Amino acid sequence: QSALTQPASVSGSPGQSITISCTGTSNDIGFYNYVSWYQQHPGKAPKLMIHDATYRPSGVSNRFSGSKSGNTASLTISGLQAEDEADYYCSSFTSSGTWVFGGGTKLTVL
Amino acid sequence: EVQLVESGGGLVQPGGSLRLSCAASGFTFSSSWMHWVRQAPGKGPVCVSHINKEATSTYYADSVKGRFTISRDNAKNTVYLQMNSLRADDTAVYYCANEGLRDWGQGTLVTVSS
Repeated sequence: QSALTQPASVSGSPGQSITISCTGTSNDIGFYNYVSWYQQHPGKAPKLMIHDATYRPSGVSNRFSGSKSGNTASLTISGLQAEDEADYYCSSFTSSGTWVFGGGTKLTVL
Repeated sequence: EVQLVESGGGLVQPGGSLRLSCAASGFTFSSSWMHWVRQAPGKGPVCVSHINKEATSTYYADSVKGRFTISRDNAKNTVYLQMNSLRADDTAVYYCANEGLRDWGQGTLVTVSS
């Protein structure tokens, strides 16, 4: 299955809000609410930030929120902080019974 | 606290083999599907393989089918990935993850080069 589509980069100033989109198909994002978002700092493993499209794991800041509409999911980060600068990946469960990822979005905090 | 610790990566020549291990703790391993995910330099993660709780069902990405074998030992809380006929495009950091790709290990680097 093809990778999910994310913008290559986004940027924002401290305190601002940004949104990262993730577009899939009716065989993944559009069919299931099993959409996750990961944060990855250089040299580190991906960290789960959002699961089941809108749920935050315990310990994740409430500045992070997720949504989904049709075949597109979104991650919004409010009150940007310097430590939010990282790569962000979306993923979705698929009708093939596995998970597919997006190509990643580099967030730059100006 | 969930811990997933991968080992077994390294430098191998094309055509060679490696066996990755992932030791799990902090959750009920025998009740969790387990995944191997790889990430090539500068690229997004890709699911390589997964195995169900009882080891009766497995999945392989087309790129590794016939070359990689996933297995698990619920008594040892460990999942394995046997990688044969390695190619240059298998070069990546390999992560194990638990059910739903919720928790990930720190990864182990596999480099295939002559």
